[in-house]
Amino acid sequence: GIQVEQSPPDLILQEGANSTLRCNFSDSVNNLQWFHQNPWGQLINLFYIPSGTKQNGRLSATTVATERYSLLYISSSQTTDSGVYFCAVDSSNDYKLSFGAGTTVTVRA
Amino acid sequence: DTAVSQTPKYLVTQMGNDKSIKCEQNLGHDTMYWYKQDSKKFLKIMFSYNNKELIINETVPNRFSPKSPDKAHLNLHINSLELGDSAVYFCASSQMASSTDTQYFGPGTRLTVL
Repeated sequence: GIQVEQSPPDLILQEGANSTLRCNFSDSVNNLQWFHQNPWGQLINLFYIPSGTKQNGRLSATTVATERYSLLYISSSQTTDSGVYFCAVDSSNDYKLSFGAGTTVTVRA
Repeated sequence: DTAVSQTPKYLVTQMGNDKSIKCEQNLGHDTMYWYKQDSKKFLKIMFSYNNKELIINETVPNRFSPKSPDKAHLNLHINSLELGDSAVYFCASSQMASSTDTQYFGPGTRLTVL
């Protein structure tokens, strides 16, 4: 099956800092989603982005499908950005998302 | 309005018991899923139903049995619970059974087996 690697595994930020999270995948994808799992455990959709660039407020994402990676940018981080960020992909038209191991982000005030 | 809801949110039970987790979506989606998140936060698909029909069945012990009474509901029944079943179980839904469709997740059910 497809391999999904996220880096870094952990990230500690001071409030107001910018950061970039990376997701590498081993095969071409039909679906790529970024999720934020907040400290209460809820999984929140951030982006559906199998290719191209999208922005939503302080968050943006870019997927370079030909090079098999996606980046999630967090700008002007806030303490509410803390949590685990997951990249998930579907490569084989079988409707199931394969998740990376996540990046745990801690934003300190 | 809650899009994908699960009950209960927490479930604590003894080894050997049988328990069920319920999931409902009010998005009008055709496809629903169950994922398991282990203690290391790794998420993995278990099952998927499209219009009440099973389309994905990963390598899951047959103690786990999903049931979809209609396309808005997908329940998960677990027999003879084991310690290793402790995890957070997430229900999700998408418009259709398409690899290009966004999946929306419920709040999760934290199952603890003692």
